[in-house]
Amino acid sequence: SQTIHQWPATLVQPVGSPLSLECTVEGTSNPNLYWYRQAAGRGLQLLFYSIGIDQISSEVPQNLSASRPQDRQFILSSKKLLLSDSGFYLCAWSRKNRVLNTEAFFGQGTRLTVV
Amino acid sequence: RKEVEQDPGPFNVPEGATVAFNCTYSNSASQSFFWYRQDCRKEPKLLMSVYSSGNEDGRFTAQLNRASQYISLLIRDSKLSDSATYLCVVNRETSYDKVIFGPGTSLSVIP
Repeated sequence: SQTIHQWPATLVQPVGSPLSLECTVEGTSNPNLYWYRQAAGRGLQLLFYSIGIDQISSEVPQNLSASRPQDRQFILSSKKLLLSDSGFYLCAWSRKNRVLNTEAFFGQGTRLTVV
Repeated sequence: RKEVEQDPGPFNVPEGATVAFNCTYSNSASQSFFWYRQDCRKEPKLLMSVYSSGNEDGRFTAQLNRASQYISLLIRDSKLSDSATYLCVVNRETSYDKVIFGPGTSLSVIP
């Protein structure tokens, strides 16, 4: 079966510090990978989307970057965090296979507070 | 216009009530459709897929109208535990197969 791991679950970081959130998927290959952010009481905002290694599209201009060094590894980074980067960060994956369902599966999320 | 739109609510309904959510999508090339549920401070989880012929899972019924490009979710006999945000999701299944989430509709079931 497929699983997605995202860590850490909670993070408190000072303004100006770097950020690295990691997400890995097991049990599947060549997944589409996503990073979302959700502010309190708001909907999901798609930050980055990747269809393959080193193939990443940025959905909104921001202080963040993403990398996909391996097929099932997706990393969200920042060189200098801003207060506005606080939020609930979610990693997700979906299949490309049109024979099987193509819904998204989420990690448990990282709650980031920038202080 | 956003690709997937939903009434944000909140919908406040008494226990036992029937409640319906609608969702519209703008891209007629969309191929697959889903409803997700998100509890407060948790990740979204798949509630049910939406099939062209409509489908039912217990108290939940999903319908798809391709001609009008809308999807609905009906919840019968609402329970307190149904309180959550319900997200409408479409997948265009283009070469990039990107999943698109709606902004969600908030439901509170009141005793």
